[in-house]
Amino acid sequence: QSALTQPASVSGSPGQSITISCTGTSSDVGNYNLVSWYQQHPGKAPKLMIYEVTKRPSGVSNRFSGSKSGNTASLTISGLQAEDEADYYCCSYVGSSTFVFGGGTKLTVL
Amino acid sequence: QVQLVQSGAEVKKPGASVKVSCKAFGYTFTGYYIHWVRQAPGQGLEWMGWINPDSGGTKYAQKFQGRLTMTRDTSISTAYMELSSLRSDDTAVYYCSRSGRGVGDWFDLWGQGTLVTVSS
Repeated sequence: QSALTQPASVSGSPGQSITISCTGTSSDVGNYNLVSWYQQHPGKAPKLMIYEVTKRPSGVSNRFSGSKSGNTASLTISGLQAEDEADYYCCSYVGSSTFVFGGGTKLTVL
Repeated sequence: QVQLVQSGAEVKKPGASVKVSCKAFGYTFTGYYIHWVRQAPGQGLEWMGWINPDSGGTKYAQKFQGRLTMTRDTSISTAYMELSSLRSDDTAVYYCSRSGRGVGDWFDLWGQGTLVTVSS
């Protein structure tokens, strides 16, 4: 199972919005509404930000939102803040009780 | 407090095995799956597999078949990940994480990570 494709890096200024894409295939992202997103600050464990494509866990800011179209899922962060600077990973269920992560995207807040 | 606490860093020689533990606190251990995810230095996350602490059932990523063993001890709410025939490219931080028992459930709780270094 190949990793999902994410841009290596994205950047934005405080207050702006950015979107991170996560492209898979019709066997994973396109076949299941089971995409999740994780935020990881340097040296820290990942943190769940979005699950089931669009749902936000309790405690996660509503500035974070998720969507999906075809084989591509997206994470949008609005009203960028300095604390959003981190690595972001998507993850998809791929059937047979297995999962695959994206390669990760480094978000820089300018 | 709901948390997963992992064992400490390990240094192993090529060809050896490593066993990392993950102890659950603050929730019913048998009510959730435990997954293992690793991250090589400067690299992304890689899903390795899961164990159902209730039944002991497991599922491993094909890449690790034959080298990976996940077990658990419900009496102490602890899951274990053992990787054998270690190579230098197994050097990574290994995380345990929790998911619900539904198909494709997400990872809502993570351990702090355990650095495993493979070096001669």
